[in-house]
Amino acid sequence: GQNIDQPTEMTATEGAIVQINCTYQTSGFNGLFWYQQHAGEAPTFLSYNVLDGLEEKGRFSSFLSRSKGYSYLLLKELQMKDSASYLCDVADRGSTLGRLYFGRGTQLTVWP
Amino acid sequence: DTAVSQTPKYLVTQMGNDKSIKCEQNLGHDTMYWYKQDSKKFLKIMFSYNNKELIINETVPNRFSPKSPDKAHLNLHINSLELGDSAVYFCASSQGGDADTQYFGPGTRLTVL
Repeated sequence: GQNIDQPTEMTATEGAIVQINCTYQTSGFNGLFWYQQHAGEAPTFLSYNVLDGLEEKGRFSSFLSRSKGYSYLLLKELQMKDSASYLCDVADRGSTLGRLYFGRGTQLTVWP
Repeated sequence: DTAVSQTPKYLVTQMGNDKSIKCEQNLGHDTMYWYKQDSKKFLKIMFSYNNKELIINETVPNRFSPKSPDKAHLNLHINSLELGDSAVYFCASSQGGDADTQYFGPGTRLTVL
């Protein structure tokens, strides 16, 4: 989507840490979501941030800075099963649909 | 037990045909959505439906029309199918509106020949 920017692809090795960035522009920020989508499957919810700071959930953490229009998803102790597309989604009161488009996602490949 | 279900999973049809995709959610959610994911993997919102209020993405052709017989169902009807309609269509639902987590159906892969 034109208002959400993420890298297209990233690669990393098992056991490593990877950070996937997302920048966005909104007129009525109402929260940011990260979803995981494995090939041929539906997106599934990973995290939600509405306040600035870091939210930690097991191996995954998500950070938000509203003033910078910036978020990142941090994946630790990478496993092969983490190979997937990671989608940044922003809820926007300023959009008639209540949300911006999902971006095309960041395709993460984890190598052994 | 499936939270959000869609049928069919695969749909192959000829240009010019009319087809429907069904979606049902058993989560008791108030809002349902339709998304289109093309070959470039953009996940584009098409419609949002909440308490009989339909919000349409203005870029969606009027050949696409959502139909909701009740709160648990939001079907997608497509008239005069075109080659460019080939994509994966996802239905989703959320408890309330914009700031709530969305739960996605398994997707329907539509191929227009």
